[in-house]
Amino acid sequence: DAKTTQPPSMDCAEGRAANLPCNHSTISGNEYVYWYRQIHSQGPQYIIHGLKNNETNEMASLIITEDRKSSTLILPHATLRDTAVYYCTAGGTSNGKLTFGQGTILTVHP
Amino acid sequence: DTGVSQNPRHKITKRGQNVTFRCDPISEHNRLYWYRQTLGQGPEFLTYFQNEAQLEKSRLLSDRFSAERPKGSFSTLEIQRTEQGDSAMYLCASSLVANQPQHFGDGTRLSIL
Repeated sequence: DAKTTQPPSMDCAEGRAANLPCNHSTISGNEYVYWYRQIHSQGPQYIIHGLKNNETNEMASLIITEDRKSSTLILPHATLRDTAVYYCTAGGTSNGKLTFGQGTILTVHP
Repeated sequence: DTGVSQNPRHKITKRGQNVTFRCDPISEHNRLYWYRQTLGQGPEFLTYFQNEAQLEKSRLLSDRFSAERPKGSFSTLEIQRTEQGDSAMYLCASSLVANQPQHFGDGTRLSIL
């Protein structure tokens, strides 16, 4: 199971891009990288995932390095409602179970 | 709303009592996962089902814990003889297949008095 490492906290100004890094140097070839976020008293909310290629959806962009040892989640125009704990995790195609670290507390300020 | 539903949202019980939580996954999702989350930590995997078959259990799942998924639909997680250390948020997630995103419910928060 891949172990992920994230900075404990980050700040971002409203309207600016938030770039959240994640290290997953032990990820294996068939494990996807997933990003979730969690607001207090709610369950984790799925944001985006990828295997090798960069991905973009209506919420965010995911940049995965060529060696797949790290990735960056980009929130292009952060709002106050993006303040949350962001988790980077990895899961394989066999059992699919996810191993979470402690995540990054992102605070978006006016 | 057709997301993952968990009941109850909160459960307060005395030490030594048995508790049962229910999870209704997204319709047609074959995979169902249980996680536990304590304050300040990320979710920890407990167990998962492929349809009605329980395929893996974490070492965190002591013999006081049991999970079922009859007929491959909803799932229940039972804790017998609860202990103080069982206080946590219990999260359920479901996915279509293993490498598709898991979608989480809002959890059941268990407090042991």
